[in-house]
Amino acid sequence: EAQVTQNPRYLITVTGKKLTVTCSQNMNHEYMSWYRQDPGLGLRQIYYSMNVEVTDKGDVPEGYKVSRKEKRNFPLILESPSPNQTSLYFCASSSLGLAGSSIQYFGAGTRLSVL
Amino acid sequence: AQTVTQSQPEMSVQEAETVTLSCTYDTSENNYYLFWYKQPPSRQMILVIRQEAYKQQNATENRFSVNFQKAAKSFSLKISDSQLGDTAMYFCAFMNPTGSARQLTFGSGTQLTVLP
Repeated sequence: EAQVTQNPRYLITVTGKKLTVTCSQNMNHEYMSWYRQDPGLGLRQIYYSMNVEVTDKGDVPEGYKVSRKEKRNFPLILESPSPNQTSLYFCASSSLGLAGSSIQYFGAGTRLSVL
Repeated sequence: AQTVTQSQPEMSVQEAETVTLSCTYDTSENNYYLFWYKQPPSRQMILVIRQEAYKQQNATENRFSVNFQKAAKSFSLKISDSQLGDTAMYFCAFMNPTGSARQLTFGSGTQLTVLP
């Protein structure tokens, strides 16, 4: 089954304790992206990657890091989480080929609370 | 930069009735995509429908259809024969496929409740 898998689904942590949210896709997609969802703001892009070792900032990158060492994986790293990073996070992936390149497939989301 | 506006934070509709969700956007691009995503209580983001800006014909997917007015920069979603399972947050989104970020720009969402 084609899917984007995020782990964990729920995470409660404390300020300053480094954490990583993993994202993996099995569709051989070149493009991967992270979004955060906050009430009244919709989803906003944090970082994206066009391919292995190619990453760039989205609209709200402060306080986050990403890496793309393998095509299927795109982890989101919070090196020193703060309460304003409490949010719902989504990973998404997409093909860059002509056929379906406009459609992004989303993971199930990770609910993060930073105390 | 593109912006997407959903001016109806909440809406409700009786089961089996028809409801229309509004969305407007602002862009200087001529080629782009528009989407409606559904987010039920499970929080999963589910693609409902997609519209390519160069196509004049409005997209339809079963009970879901759009009214795409390119000149007015309007993209509304019509849900016919509403069902209880349609209760969800609905997001309108824009994408410029030629942009390097391929970023989806989302509206703030409309919470739709289908009443029995």
